[in-house]
Amino acid sequence: DGGITQSPKYLFRKEGQNVTLSCEQNLNHDAMYWYRQDPGQGLRLIYYSQIVNDFQKGDIAEGYSVSREKKESFPLTVTSAQKNPTAFYLCASSIGSEGYGYTFGSGTRLTVV
Amino acid sequence: EDQVTQSPEALRLQEGESSSLNCSYTVSGLRGLFWYRQDPGKGPEFLFTLYSAGEEKEKERLKATLTKKESFLHITAPKPEDSATYLCAVQGRDTGRRALTFGSGTRLQVQP
Repeated sequence: DGGITQSPKYLFRKEGQNVTLSCEQNLNHDAMYWYRQDPGQGLRLIYYSQIVNDFQKGDIAEGYSVSREKKESFPLTVTSAQKNPTAFYLCASSIGSEGYGYTFGSGTRLTVV
Repeated sequence: EDQVTQSPEALRLQEGESSSLNCSYTVSGLRGLFWYRQDPGKGPEFLFTLYSAGEEKEKERLKATLTKKESFLHITAPKPEDSATYLCAVQGRDTGRRALTFGSGTRLQVQP
């Protein structure tokens, strides 16, 4: 079955450490997205990519970086510059970037220790 | 800038007690309005897409409607398994942003 796989499910980061969250899809979707969700809040857009080797900043891109070297993969790196990284991170994909619904992964919960 | 406001923040219903969730939005030309269901600790699950005012979509006990300024998610005779957070999102047509803007959601609890 096609879908989106996020790993790991839980991740712990020490102060000053960079960590990378994995997102892989086998839906043959062109567009991929990263959102952050804090308790009791909606989803905020971090980065998105419409095609391979291209991506755009979202509303809260500071302290994060991404790459899109393959159509299937869109990893997110949380850098030490992100001062409050504890949150639930969601990856999504869609057939195109205009007017299409998303398929979401199951999320990664990142905690700073 | 696209904006989405959902109300109420939380809603507690008795099983069988019908109600509606509201999603008010501001966009420069609507490309699509989307409803998702999210269970605790999981990713959102797609429910409906609405594209133009007057459009309606139904799925089991859920019905989504759309006007030029808001959307409603009507829940008829809810069951405890309908308990979840319901998210509304929009994409505008006239901006350079090619991604959905989400509201903060309505947490629905249905008691037996």
